[in-house]
Amino acid sequence: EVQLVESGGGLVQPGGSLRLSCAASGFTFSSYAMSWVRQAPGKGLEWVSAISGSGGSTYYADSVKGRFTISRDNSKNTLYLQMNSLRAEDTAVYYCAKDLENLPNYYFDYWGQGTLVTVSS
Amino acid sequence: EIVMTQSPATLSVSPGERATLSCRASQSVSSNLAWYQQKPGQAPRLLIYGASTRATGIPARFSGSGSGTEFTLTISSLQSEDFAVYYCQQYNNWPLFGQGTRLEIK
Repeated sequence: EVQLVESGGGLVQPGGSLRLSCAASGFTFSSYAMSWVRQAPGKGLEWVSAISGSGGSTYYADSVKGRFTISRDNSKNTLYLQMNSLRAEDTAVYYCAKDLENLPNYYFDYWGQGTLVTVSS
Repeated sequence: EIVMTQSPATLSVSPGERATLSCRASQSVSSNLAWYQQKPGQAPRLLIYGASTRATGIPARFSGSGSGTEFTLTISSLQSEDFAVYYCQQYNNWPLFGQGTRLEIK
């Protein structure tokens, strides 16, 4: 059974940093691209970042480019999102999501339960 | 920049009836469109990809159609568990979701 479990969310001040993790199980992690997708409270879904199965290629939404870094450790079956220079508008539930191919196709067949990031003073 | 527009924002339908949800792209996305279902407090669930291919385990009452700029998700006979928010998402370019349609019980 595919499982994706996010952690690392919490309350952070504007300008601060946070690192999210997503522990994957039930599939060959290194064979699939992964993404982070966020959802602001009461709002719709926004794709944030993606990474290829090998980790060699990364992709970012313009809204986070230069501030967020996606990475993965295939030996630990874990996906990460390093978030720096956080803003109030980054407040959201962050989901990790599994792609269907090794390179991003950008549609997602499995999602984690999400972790809430709140940026506020 | 592509804009995805879903209509209506809220759809009220009785159990057992058919629901038709629409999604329009501001420019062609070919058949690179997915549909997701999201229930309160839960993660989205992939229903349809490639505009019309049901994802694994999705009941046959869910069907998708369309290509280019106009897409439809049809739920043929609504069950109680189908009342949720539905999102379309194009992946022809950078992934972009529509704003969602809330399907509620009439």
